[in-house]
Amino acid sequence: DAGVIQSPRHEVTEMGQEVTLRCKPISGHDYLFWYRQTMMRGLELLIYFNNNVPIDDSGMPEDRFSAKMPNASFSTLKIQPSEPRDSAVYFCASSSSGAFGNTIYFGEGSWLTVV
Amino acid sequence: GNSVTQMEGPVTLSEEAFLTINCTYTATGYPSLFWYVQYPGEGLQLLLKATKADDKGSNKGFEATYRKETTSFHLEKGSVQVSDSAVYFCALPYSGAGSYQLTFGKGTKLSVIP
Repeated sequence: DAGVIQSPRHEVTEMGQEVTLRCKPISGHDYLFWYRQTMMRGLELLIYFNNNVPIDDSGMPEDRFSAKMPNASFSTLKIQPSEPRDSAVYFCASSSSGAFGNTIYFGEGSWLTVV
Repeated sequence: GNSVTQMEGPVTLSEEAFLTINCTYTATGYPSLFWYVQYPGEGLQLLLKATKADDKGSNKGFEATYRKETTSFHLEKGSVQVSDSAVYFCALPYSGAGSYQLTFGKGTKLSVIP
């Protein structure tokens, strides 16, 4: 089975540009999570969805960040405008409410560098 | 919400050495407990889990026992290999046993030298 698929894997952009990260969760999963990982702050939950509805976005750092999930098989995380401090690895993950033990499955990550 | 504390790294061991990475938790009830591993350049992947007290999760030679008396879930391996070099994360549901949002420890980086 295909795992969580993220694109792009690597992105280098200039400060002020818009960045869009994409995610395809595992088919049948009804929870989708966006995490950010940095050396300084570790792994942070930004936002998560259940059945395409945002449940908790309290981790979104500021209004420059937005996330959408238009359908069960696709989500985006957008940063506009981007800043150098947004440089991080962004992980998408998914889970099924029917899964025993709440296992979350991660994608390979999108490595973002803002210069 | 629930929280987890794991030992600071980095940890450097010689091949075939014994590994322990400590993890303690604070939680309401008895939620499932997890260890995730992140190899260089990759995402996190589930290493093992335990769903109730006294359960032992195991995988790839790693083990961890759910100890409710000491609120701990320490990760152990009897003989590490170079290929075990990675960052290890302890995790549990954020709040409530049924929560699908996990909270992670800060991660412990393990380096195994030949």
